[in-house]
Amino acid sequence: AQSVAQPEDQVNVAEGNPLTVKCTYSVSGNPYLFWYVQYPNRGLQFLLKYITGDNLVKGSYGFEAEFNKSQTSFHLKKPSALVSDSALYFCAVRDMRNTDKLIFGTGTRLQVFP
Amino acid sequence: NAGVTQTPKFRILKIGQSMTLQCTQDMNHNYMYWYRQDPGMGLKLIYYSVGAGITDKGEVPNGYNVSRSTTEDFPLRLELAAPSQTSVYFCASKPLLNYNEQFFGPGTRLTVL
Repeated sequence: AQSVAQPEDQVNVAEGNPLTVKCTYSVSGNPYLFWYVQYPNRGLQFLLKYITGDNLVKGSYGFEAEFNKSQTSFHLKKPSALVSDSALYFCAVRDMRNTDKLIFGTGTRLQVFP
Repeated sequence: NAGVTQTPKFRILKIGQSMTLQCTQDMNHNYMYWYRQDPGMGLKLIYYSVGAGITDKGEVPNGYNVSRSTTEDFPLRLELAAPSQTSVYFCASKPLLNYNEQFFGPGTRLTVL
């Protein structure tokens, strides 16, 4: 079955330190992968996506993600965390059986402490 | 562009009542989606539409209905509200030729008591 896993419910990091939010996927074929961020009481905002090409994808707000096909992972990273990065982060993969749809992970709450 | 707008922002319903959640997008997107978000569960797709006059079920369609008479509007109807429908509802849209980058509305928080 197709799925996306975000193994950590919450990630805590000090401001200025690097952060990583993990995502692994299970789909057949070449995946299209996405990261979204949700700030409190807001809708989801698109951060970045991997379709093809360079395994390191750069996105909004200084975030980047690394696609690793052998490990079926697409971890979200940022070199230096900000308190304002505190939010809920969702990984998603395109449904290969119905390419109009996305399959979302359960989300990871990022808490950045001053 | 206002993007994707949803009304109302909040609503409390009694069991058995019905209501319509409104969603409008002004980006001329072909695809529109309704999701519900429950704590720790991520987003579950309720219904989606690939264009005016065309709708299809997602993962959790029971208890809901949709229509798509125009490109801009995609209302979600709840008939006979139940406590299990307490959730935050998000509408999203996507252009035809974009690789599945969806644009989300701000959400509607619904409580059924």
